[in-house]
Amino acid sequence: DAGVIQSPRHEVTEMGQEVTLRCKPISGHNSLFWYRQTMMRGLELLIYFNNNVPIDDSGMPEDRFSAKMPNASFSTLKIQPSEPRDSAVYFCASKFSTDTQYFGPGTRLTVL
Amino acid sequence: KNQVEQSPQSLIILEGKNCTLQCNYTVSPFSNLRWYKQDTGRGPVSLTIMTFSENTKSNGRYTATLDADTKQSSLHITASQLSDSASYICVVSGGASGGSYIPTFGRGTSLIVHP
Repeated sequence: DAGVIQSPRHEVTEMGQEVTLRCKPISGHNSLFWYRQTMMRGLELLIYFNNNVPIDDSGMPEDRFSAKMPNASFSTLKIQPSEPRDSAVYFCASKFSTDTQYFGPGTRLTVL
Repeated sequence: KNQVEQSPQSLIILEGKNCTLQCNYTVSPFSNLRWYKQDTGRGPVSLTIMTFSENTKSNGRYTATLDADTKQSSLHITASQLSDSASYICVVSGGASGGSYIPTFGRGTSLIVHP
């Protein structure tokens, strides 16, 4: 298995632009998580899906952030419009039932 | 408020030495506690998971302990190797709604192993 796949690995954009991060979870996993990691705040859970349904989005910072999971093998995290304070590494993770979460390699986002 | 505090913030040791990382939490109700290792530029990888009834669990040279009464956990690394250089993150799941999926993350301990 290739593990959790995220794209792009690096993204540099200008303030105000729309950014879309993509994630392909491990096949067979039924839960998917989006995290943000910064030096100041560490790892933060943004949103979590179970069986493609958003369960807890209390970590989503504001309306500029949205996440979708149209099917079991794909999820997106969109930021529109992006701001410099959104610069961070965004991780996607997946798991099956109560098992361990497996993290992807992350997308490093820089908003200028 | 659910919190996970880790100490020390950073640690430098010589190769071959042992070290212990600490994690204190206030998450309630408690479901489980995990230790993750995060290499630079990579996503976290799970080392151990402990539930309420477990007080020690080993994974090779890594041994985690849990005291659910005092809400403390430790990660002991034996005979450290250069490859142990990483950030170690303590994550406690549980929370006000009782959902085991709600994780609270510590800020991590940055470990550097020198030859």
